Amino acid sequence: DAGVIQSPRHEVTEMGQEVTLRCKPISGHNSLFWYRQTMMRGLELLIYFNNNVPIDDSGMPEDRFSAKMPNASFSTLKIQPSEPRDSAVYFCASSFPGLMNTEAFFGQGTRLTVV
Amino acid sequence: GDSVTQMEGPVTLSEEAFLTINCTYTATGYPSLFWYVQYPGEGLQLLLKATKADDKGSNKGFEATYRKETTSFHLEKGSVQVSDSAVYFCALSGDNFNKFYFGSGTKLNVKP
Repeated sequence: DAGVIQSPRHEVTEMGQEVTLRCKPISGHNSLFWYRQTMMRGLELLIYFNNNVPIDDSGMPEDRFSAKMPNASFSTLKIQPSEPRDSAVYFCASSFPGLMNTEAFFGQGTRLTVV
Repeated sequence: GDSVTQMEGPVTLSEEAFLTINCTYTATGYPSLFWYVQYPGEGLQLLLKATKADDKGSNKGFEATYRKETTSFHLEKGSVQVSDSAVYFCALSGDNFNKFYFGSGTKLNVKP
């Protein structure tokens, strides 16, 4: 398996624009997580899904952020409108179905810069 | 709620020195514990894990023992190398949908 695949790897956009980050989890995994990493705040869990259903979105910073998982092999994180303070590295991770306490597998991340 | 606390960095060591990075946790139930490593410009990679009390996880010369009595999972390595320079994250996964809780990360710098 190719692992968790995120696209794009880098995104530079202007303030006010819509940004969409994409994630393909490992095949067969049924839990998917979106994280944001910054120097100031470290690694923050934004939202996670189980069987394509959002379980906990309490980490989503505000209404400008939304995430979807239309099927088991694809998820998106959208920011609309984007702001400079959204600049960060965004990671997607997935984990194996039905087995408690297994590790999460991370993608390479998307480095977002909002200017 | 569940949480992980790890020592702040950066930690700077000379090559072949002994490494300890402290990690303590708070959790209900019986979590699994993990150490992840992040090299510059990359995602997090699993370094080792332990799924129950007294288990020892090990990989690439790194070790950590799940201590329930002290709620700790300290990372150790007997002789670090320059290539070990990275950020290390302690994490736990509880019973709820495999939700992961990460510590703040500890940056390790190893000098030749």
